[in-house]
Amino acid sequence: DAKTTQPNSMESNEEEPVHLPCNHSTISGTDYIHWYRQLPSQGPEYVIHGLTSNVNNRMASLAIAEDRKSSTLILHRATLRDAAVYYCILGFQKLVFGTGTRLLVSP
Amino acid sequence: EAQVTQNPRYLITVTGKKLTVTCSQNMNHEYMSWYRQDPGLGLRQIYYSMNVEVTDKGDVPEGYKVSRKEKRNFPLILESPSPNQTSLYFCASSKFGFWDQYFGPGTRLLVL
Repeated sequence: DAKTTQPNSMESNEEEPVHLPCNHSTISGTDYIHWYRQLPSQGPEYVIHGLTSNVNNRMASLAIAEDRKSSTLILHRATLRDAAVYYCILGFQKLVFGTGTRLLVSP
Repeated sequence: EAQVTQNPRYLITVTGKKLTVTCSQNMNHEYMSWYRQDPGLGLRQIYYSMNVEVTDKGDVPEGYKVSRKEKRNFPLILESPSPNQTSLYFCASSKFGFWDQYFGPGTRLLVL
């Protein structure tokens, strides 16, 4: 199964952009790239997903490398409510979660 | 209100005593999944279902069973729980594939 690699933690200041990287060198052609986040004491929350092209939604943007071996989740303006663990996930039916990146946001 | 509900939210049991954790969604979603979350291991998929009577194994299915007899319900069954199944369990559902999943609030299970 394809695995993902993410930094354990990252820090950001409020209202600054945040780029969360994810490496997935063994991704297969049918694997979608999903991002979820988990706030303390809550279930995960969907953020965004993509296959080959960059994607934007109201929460974030997803930039996917041309060879699909890495991707970056972009939060355009971090807020204190964005402090969470962000998971980069590969899969189509059987999902393989990474260990996640804990994002700390300072005022 | 669109939601995924799980019951019970907290459960303490003993080794070998069969238990069922229920999961129900009110969004008419086809796809449902069960995950467990353990410190240092993140979230791991146990089983998933693409529709009624269609289920398949995820990453860590050993020791668990599921059934999908109705679209809205996807119970997780532990026939003979063991201490290594102590974990935080999440149920999730989605309409189109396994993206945009709605997660339940979680069930914290302790097996003594």
